[in-house]
Amino acid sequence: GQQLNQSPQSMFIQEGEDVSMNCTSSSIFNTWLWYKQEPGEGPVLLIALYKAGELTSNGRLTAQFGITRKDSFLNISASIPSDVGIYFCAGSVSGNTPLVFGKGTRLSVIA
Amino acid sequence: DAGVIQSPRHEVTEMGQEVTLRCKPISGHNSLFWYRQTMMRGLELLIYFNNNVPIDDSGMPEDRFSAKMPNASFSTLKIQPSEPRDSAVYFCASSFSGADGYTFGSGTRLTVV
Repeated sequence: GQQLNQSPQSMFIQEGEDVSMNCTSSSIFNTWLWYKQEPGEGPVLLIALYKAGELTSNGRLTAQFGITRKDSFLNISASIPSDVGIYFCAGSVSGNTPLVFGKGTRLSVIA
Repeated sequence: DAGVIQSPRHEVTEMGQEVTLRCKPISGHNSLFWYRQTMMRGLELLIYFNNNVPIDDSGMPEDRFSAKMPNASFSTLKIQPSEPRDSAVYFCASSFSGADGYTFGSGTRLTVV
């Protein structure tokens, strides 16, 4: 089946640093989404992307839908301790097919 | 809206026992998904429903797993008999248009001893 390769698997960064993570696929997706999961909770949607090349921001978060439709990245600027969690990318071919999730990037922020 | 509600939050059971996980999706959402999360395999889709009808259950690992959605506001995932390798966090998620961002519940952490 379709798979999403998410990297890096984990990151340890200093508070205030910028963070970049990405997601790649061997097949095309028409929707890319980024989720964040905090301990003991379910993933929460951060950003949704629907068009190749689209660049969307949500506060300190910026995500892009790759031109080839096979990748996406998420940037977090000026990280703070509450950014800690697992970040998942997810993709879908159409509204009639379920999301495929990457395995996540575990972010730790050192104050 | 209270979001997607799952119960119980935690379940510890002995091997061989039946386990039932419950989910109440967001009112008005017409798609419901059951996921299993483990460290090794990440988030795996087990089964999903559209308008209460099971569409794809190819992710259900074995016949020991079954899921039902008797109405638009309730779904269950049952494991019978349970085994230690079923230990994981099980999430239910719902959405209106399928791919436009699922809303996840807080999950049920299942431990089978």
